[in-house]
Amino acid sequence: RKEVEQDPGPFNVPEGATVAFNCTYSNSASQSFFWYRQDCRKEPKLLMSVYSSGNEDGRFTAQLNRASQYISLLIRDSKLSDSATYLCVVPLGSARQLTFGSGTQLTVLP
Amino acid sequence: DAGITQSPRHKVTETGTPVTLRCHQTENHRYMYWYRQDPGHGLRLIHYSYGVKDTDKGEVSDGYSVSRSKTEDFLLTLESATSSQTSVYFCAISESRETDTQYFGPGTRLTVL
Repeated sequence: RKEVEQDPGPFNVPEGATVAFNCTYSNSASQSFFWYRQDCRKEPKLLMSVYSSGNEDGRFTAQLNRASQYISLLIRDSKLSDSATYLCVVPLGSARQLTFGSGTQLTVLP
Repeated sequence: DAGITQSPRHKVTETGTPVTLRCHQTENHRYMYWYRQDPGHGLRLIHYSYGVKDTDKGEVSDGYSVSRSKTEDFLLTLESATSSQTSVYFCAISESRETDTQYFGPGTRLTVL
């Protein structure tokens, strides 16, 4: 089992839709988790940090479930500009290094 | 955007040749990282640095070496490039602990023929 697993998608949704991604991780004692977005052939950029049980920023909501070891990202009222790959990031290991999921691809259709 | 540049942005080289990639930051951040990104694998850590002359190995360090002689520069060297090292290489920086938010450079696309 991979340490951080994401459904690769692709998720194709119409504009205005609500879409949710899940990310499961093997084990972490960390207090912080992250969602990054990556546009095609570009560098990853921080979307949200997730502390304690969750975080909300406008149309984006991230939730953390430690008991079940998963993080979710909810996007409401999807925009065309939300089309990207979303990377789940979990601190794992004794060196507390960040481990990146392979990403979930989202395409928002007009 | 964080001040991170990478050079070169694109490189094509032949198997067996040495290659050095440069990462330069203007943020004065202590931590710097080199990742590679390949389809189906996500981003994987090659090496990282926690200060000048202080470096450590990541998940996929075989075939790579690094050096950091100044806070702002972190070099990644492929001593003898192989086709399996064809990838996109990203540099990242963070201000303090390893698990703080990391900011990425624009990437270097390396092709080894």
